[in-house]
Amino acid sequence: QVQVQQSGPGLVKSSETLSLTCTVSGGFISNWYWSWIRQPAGKGLEWIGRVYSSGTTKYNASLKSRVTMSVDTSTNQFSLSLSSVTAADTAVYYCATGDAAFDIWGQGTMVTVSS
Amino acid sequence: DIQMMQSPSSLSASVGDRVTITCRASQSISIYLNWYQQKPGKAPKLLIQVASRLESGVPSRFSGSGSGTDFTLTISSLQPEDFATYYCQQSNTSPPTFGGGTKVDVK
Repeated sequence: QVQVQQSGPGLVKSSETLSLTCTVSGGFISNWYWSWIRQPAGKGLEWIGRVYSSGTTKYNASLKSRVTMSVDTSTNQFSLSLSSVTAADTAVYYCATGDAAFDIWGQGTMVTVSS
Repeated sequence: DIQMMQSPSSLSASVGDRVTITCRASQSISIYLNWYQQKPGKAPKLLIQVASRLESGVPSRFSGSGSGTDFTLTISSLQPEDFATYYCQQSNTSPPTFGGGTKVDVK
């Protein structure tokens, strides 16, 4: 069955760019939607955006100016970049399948933005 | 964006109790409402899609109902593994948005 494994640094400096990657195993990245969702400590979930296997993207308007998502079908990976981070971007970041209901999730990456 | 409001924000219950969590959308979302369970330190797990469709492997003690703006998640007989936080999420309109969560803990 399809699984997603997240990778990327857990500490990012303020004003720099957060970069995370998810690697898909047990299936192909093609013909799926892949989303990124974040959760500040003790708080609820926020959808950041999604990328289709063709590379088509849709972002949450609240973050759109700072977000870039991409997909690499040759490596079965998809990625998130969030630029100009601040303390407000400190959260657990998840990747997940889908763009409506999210049924397969990565393990989560705790990203702390330091000053 | 569509706002999702859950109530209560927390509840205390005992094993065997019937538990009901409600979710209200700020505008009609038809049946496009999903429910998730999240345990500490873990990713959310999808329980129910489109208001009432149970995901494969989810115990039948979980059920969902509702349409329009008002939805309910019911656990018919709470089990020890059900103590967790539950989130609703609308998928009718982009961006998908989540409720604030309902924490179910031990009475």
